[in-house]
Amino acid sequence: DTAVSQTPKYLVTQMGNDKSIKCEQNLGHDTMYWYKQDSKKFLKIMFSYNNKELIINETVPNRFSPKSPDKAHLNLHINSLELGDSAVYFCASSDGTSGRALSDEQFFGPGTRLTVL
Amino acid sequence: AQSVSQHNHHVILSEAASLELGCNYSYGGTVNLFWYVQYPGQHLQLLLKYFSGDPLVKGIKGFEAEFIKSKFSFNLRKPSVQWSDTAEYFCAVRRNNQGGKLIFGQGTELSVKP
Repeated sequence: DTAVSQTPKYLVTQMGNDKSIKCEQNLGHDTMYWYKQDSKKFLKIMFSYNNKELIINETVPNRFSPKSPDKAHLNLHINSLELGDSAVYFCASSDGTSGRALSDEQFFGPGTRLTVL
Repeated sequence: AQSVSQHNHHVILSEAASLELGCNYSYGGTVNLFWYVQYPGQHLQLLLKYFSGDPLVKGIKGFEAEFIKSKFSFNLRKPSVQWSDTAEYFCAVRRNNQGGKLIFGQGTELSVKP
């Protein structure tokens, strides 16, 4: 009964490949996020979706394309992987709409460690 | 540039020592403040949060934080740390009308010696 789940947990791949990371939340939340944690453990927002609609896109390369088939899922597809894409990617979810409900908190998934060789 | 700053990169303490981790932010207006903890190999967990009201907030595992608006600070404290508190601690800020995104500090690694 994990609240926010991600698959896979580990992903090792070659440069130039295309890969996807999946995220699902069973909390009934409206908003989902992708964060990237680099090798220095710095966390930065990448995308946010609210009810399947993109609301945040933080100057992420076009090679990254989030897709939200429904409000419980937010997948991250990465084309033409580069060495610099190696990181831990965290999915998160929260209740509320576009930050208007400021009392909501974000729940994080376990992370996907992506290694590009 | 507007940001969230955590003053200590790595803190090493002995068990039973007191802890204070600094966090400052540079945003004006209404903000929500959070401290998250990341135990080795695990995901982020919320320790505590401040939205409004009493500026001294208590969280899980004996942690507390104080919001000082005039200093744009939200420092994390614990009177007596345990070895199990060894983890990475992240301060985060959320601003109104920003789509709910969290802006994180660079993290503080806490190592507690038994």
